[in-house]
Amino acid sequence: DAKTTQPPSMDCAEGRAANLPCNHSTISGNEYVYWYRQIHSQGPQYIIHGLKNNETNEMASLIITEDRKSSTLILPHATLRDTAVYYCIVIKAAGNKLTFGGGTRVLVKP
Amino acid sequence: DARVTQTPRHKVTEMGQEVTMRCQPILGHNTVFWYRQTMMQGLELLAYFRNRAPLDDSGMPKDRFSAEMPDATLATLKIQPSEPRDSAVYFCASGPGLAGVTETQYFGPGTRLLVL
Repeated sequence: DAKTTQPPSMDCAEGRAANLPCNHSTISGNEYVYWYRQIHSQGPQYIIHGLKNNETNEMASLIITEDRKSSTLILPHATLRDTAVYYCIVIKAAGNKLTFGGGTRVLVKP
Repeated sequence: DARVTQTPRHKVTEMGQEVTMRCQPILGHNTVFWYRQTMMQGLELLAYFRNRAPLDDSGMPKDRFSAEMPDATLATLKIQPSEPRDSAVYFCASGPGLAGVTETQYFGPGTRLLVL
């Protein structure tokens, strides 16, 4: 599975959009981009995933560049409860092994 | 609201003792994963099962760890004998088990293990 690179930490103001970048320049054509997050003392939680097209659900939006070498997770209106470590993971189609890197520690401030 | 459950939530034991952690996957899910999380190593996949059969346990120390699924509603992870370096949070996750496709995994709350 392709390796991902994320900034180690970022702060965000409550109520503002949080844009979390992820670089996956070695991604191959059959690999999906998944985002999970882990709130302190809890298990990881699925957020969203995509292959080529941008995706949106009730939690977030995922923007994947046309060359698929990078993506951005957007939390449209960050709340204090969005404070967590966010993991960007690239995984093959027909694959299930999640490899968690260091993630981005997001702190939402009032 | 279907959830993965894990027991115990916390376990303190002495070095050399056997530890058994249990996981109940979401009903209808037939893929089960065991992960370990430490400050030093982060989240690591230990093993995973599909339809109760082990597919990959390459991440698991074989000499002391064992993972089984006695039935579709129960997965167990055992450590015997336990060592202080096994202290970690152990997460179980389950997925719908759609063969041939990647799938979303749903994580339990974890078992916090401390081996003294």
